[in-house]
Amino acid sequence: NAGVTQTPKFRVLKTGQSMTLLCAQDMNHEYMYWYRQDPGMGLRLIHYSVGEGTTAKGEVPDGYNVSRLKKQNFLLGLESAAPSQTSVYFCASTRTGYEQYFGPGTRLTVT
Amino acid sequence: GENVEQHPSTLSVQEGDSAVIKCTYSDSASNYFPWYKQELGKGPQLIIDIRSNVGEKKDQRIAVTLNKTAKHFSLHITETQPEDSAVYFCAASIPNTGNQFYFGTGTSLTVIP
Repeated sequence: NAGVTQTPKFRVLKTGQSMTLLCAQDMNHEYMYWYRQDPGMGLRLIHYSVGEGTTAKGEVPDGYNVSRLKKQNFLLGLESAAPSQTSVYFCASTRTGYEQYFGPGTRLTVT
Repeated sequence: GENVEQHPSTLSVQEGDSAVIKCTYSDSASNYFPWYKQELGKGPQLIIDIRSNVGEKKDQRIAVTLNKTAKHFSLHITETQPEDSAVYFCAASIPNTGNQFYFGTGTSLTVIP
């Protein structure tokens, strides 16, 4: 099993550009999550999904959209990137809503 | 929402000594408390967890204790080794909310050989 994979690993955007981050898991997990990690602030939940076709807002959803069209994939979109969205983004999944498995992260810089 | 506080933010110990990291939470509905280890450039990895119906759980050199009344839980690492050096995060999860996880701000642990 590859576990949780994230694409891309690194990205630099200019302010106003858009992009999509892809998270994929091959463990048949129901729950998937997107977090951002900023220095000194731990991980903060952006959006999450409790199953295929469902999405919900987390702590810091503004400026992001998500989609879960297939059970194994969870996409995070930035429609108009801002410097405040410079961060490391982590995806996680869990079968039961408990033990989370994290991906390796995507480092995004918005200039 | 839930508020999780974690202390200390940095911790240095000599190899072989014990390390203790403490977290408090605010929402009494939280019922699942995992601890994650994050090495540089990698994603967090679950190392131990505890549910609210248990007071203590141990796995070799690591243990977690939970005091529901006081709303705090702690990670204990005994006989520390240099490879224990990493950032550790605690988290709390509230059921029936999609199991949203709320994380502490992390503790950078350095084990000095």
